Amino acid sequence: DAKTTQPTSMDCAEGRAANLPCNHSTISGNEYVYWYRQIHSQGPQYIIHGLKNNETNEMASLIITEDRKSSTLILPHATLRDTAVYYCIVRALHDYKLSFGAGTTVTVRA
Amino acid sequence: DTAVSQTPKYLVTQMGNDKSIKCEQNLGHDTMYWYKQDSKKFLKIMFSYNNKELIINETVPNRFSPKSPDKAHLNLHINSLELGDSAVYFCASSVATRGDNEQFFGPGTRLTVL
Repeated sequence: DAKTTQPTSMDCAEGRAANLPCNHSTISGNEYVYWYRQIHSQGPQYIIHGLKNNETNEMASLIITEDRKSSTLILPHATLRDTAVYYCIVRALHDYKLSFGAGTTVTVRA
Repeated sequence: DTAVSQTPKYLVTQMGNDKSIKCEQNLGHDTMYWYKQDSKKFLKIMFSYNNKELIINETVPNRFSPKSPDKAHLNLHINSLELGDSAVYFCASSVATRGDNEQFFGPGTRLTVL
């Protein structure tokens, strides 16, 4: 029952911006877009979430298209420590759980 | 200050044994969860507790019994361990069960059943 589609993997250069795409063409009006990441051998880490508007915090920016059918997570200056699996998750307001897919394996290279 | 902590970090045991994993959160959250990450790396919800009350059991075998002595703790007891129970178990917490509340995860407990 995957609600999101992400590339399997991507590489990016250290110090450059990393743009991670996510398609969620069946998203409903009350569903949020969440991003988590999981660094090797660690627990998932919350990055950011949004409903309609673009969001920014100390970790990343989330750009949601006007039709809300896709979004992009931007890591402004990728470091080697950003190497992880990144999960894009669509979650309704009444949804108690996070439904993780396969995510995108991001490798930051020096 | 660890927000969500789990013990032990590693657990190796024989088939048929009973074991427990403990979880504590110091965030003052009302809701806690257990997730399982299998060998294929997929993370799936197992249980959700709100204010010490079980609110969701995601078709987990009844060999798995969560217990919440208070809002800050959610322990997972597993009876008659099977090979297929080998996985990494993550505890998480959130302010409430609402979909606009982020969940904070613990470091995980790697369970290996021999």
